[in-house]
Amino acid sequence: AQSVTQLGSHVSVSEGALVLLRCNYSSSVPPYLFWYVQYPNQGLQLLLKYTSAATLVKGINGFEAEFKKSETSFHLTKPSAHMSDAAEYFCAVSEYSTDKLIFGTGTRLQVFP
Amino acid sequence: NAGVTQTPKFQVLKTGQSMTLQCAQDMNHNSMYWYRQDPGMGLRLIYYSASEGTTDKGEVPNGYNVSRLNKREFSLRLESAAPSQTSVYFCASWSGKSNQPQHFGDGTRLSIL
Repeated sequence: AQSVTQLGSHVSVSEGALVLLRCNYSSSVPPYLFWYVQYPNQGLQLLLKYTSAATLVKGINGFEAEFKKSETSFHLTKPSAHMSDAAEYFCAVSEYSTDKLIFGTGTRLQVFP
Repeated sequence: NAGVTQTPKFQVLKTGQSMTLQCAQDMNHNSMYWYRQDPGMGLRLIYYSASEGTTDKGEVPNGYNVSRLNKREFSLRLESAAPSQTSVYFCASWSGKSNQPQHFGDGTRLSIL
């Protein structure tokens, strides 16, 4: 069965610093991968998705993620953190053979001034 | 452009009471989902409906029932609420194409005393 691991339940960075949120998946075939963001008291909003086209995917709000098959990773990055980036981030994988998303446990990003 | 609409947004119940959470989508999606979100556990699938007229159990179905009323609407029912069901509940819909994301509602925050 597929699984998603997000390393680090909490990540803290200073405003202007690099943001790196880690996501690893287990799959025998390259899956479809997604990053969602959840702001306080809101639903999940899609940041970006990997669908077997370009391995470097650009999303909204300056975020991007790189699919690395050899490392089974799909880490989320942003060169310069902004206070408004403080939120919880979820990595998710879509299986080829089913219609269900499998979510990681989430990483809460804090941004300090 | 409403997307996925959930009602109510907040609810407090007493143990043993029943409750139906409503979800409607206007994107003509075939698949709909109910998740619960608990701290440190990410999103866990309760039930899903791959198409009108079908429903299937997810990871944590015990204590819940669902109804796919029509293509637009998918409701979640707690017959006898328990404190362990205190959570944030999200409904989502999906087109059925693996390279497309699920779309989420804003959630229902449910507390059971």
